[in-house]
Amino acid sequence: DQQVKQNSPSLSVQEGRISILNCDYTNSMFDYFLWYKKYPAEGPTFLISISSIKDKNEDGRFTVFLNKSAKHLSLHIVPSQPGDSAVYFCAASAGGSTLGRLYFGRGTQLTVWP
Amino acid sequence: DADVTQTPRNRITKTGKRIMLECSQTKGHDRMYWYRQDPGLGLRLIYYSFDVKDINKGEISDGYSVSRQAQAKFSLSLESAIPNQTALYFCATSDLVRGNTGELFFGEGSRLTVL
Repeated sequence: DQQVKQNSPSLSVQEGRISILNCDYTNSMFDYFLWYKKYPAEGPTFLISISSIKDKNEDGRFTVFLNKSAKHLSLHIVPSQPGDSAVYFCAASAGGSTLGRLYFGRGTQLTVWP
Repeated sequence: DADVTQTPRNRITKTGKRIMLECSQTKGHDRMYWYRQDPGLGLRLIYYSFDVKDINKGEISDGYSVSRQAQAKFSLSLESAIPNQTALYFCATSDLVRGNTGELFFGEGSRLTVL
């Protein structure tokens, strides 16, 4: 049973507009959340993360929001650029014996068109 | 040069053959992982290792085995490949200090096709 869910397999946005990618999780033990970006023929690369003690983390054009009560997080990209077109994976981590192990969502393909 | 190197990058094989995918890293990280990516299914963990003497099963370890030959090397074996093991395989690393954040550094992937 998937513990991290990305229910939108694809998203299409015009250049300059905001892209919002969503992610839901079921395991209340998750205490760290990450977003990875993946281009074709490359491995995923880390984009941005957020600890469960925060509700927002910002890095340039990228902002991640965490709503613990709803077990929901979102990645906002503003403004979107054609180079942002990629698959975005949401991932979550729990402490304790599974420290360092990530659980991934199925990914959302973002397409930014000119 | 890539910090996490996977070989081969592409491999086509036949059902029943033994296949080994190799991963080496120059990041000096203790932790290494093998993930599998299938279209529409995201990344699923096969095996992981937190140090040379430590091997742990992930979500989908059946049909796979691993060997941690050294801190820098982690290989994945398919003893008798079957067509539903056709997928893109990623090796990843993380270090002990950053381990509690879960940040992984991925290789470029090994595409395996089993006919």
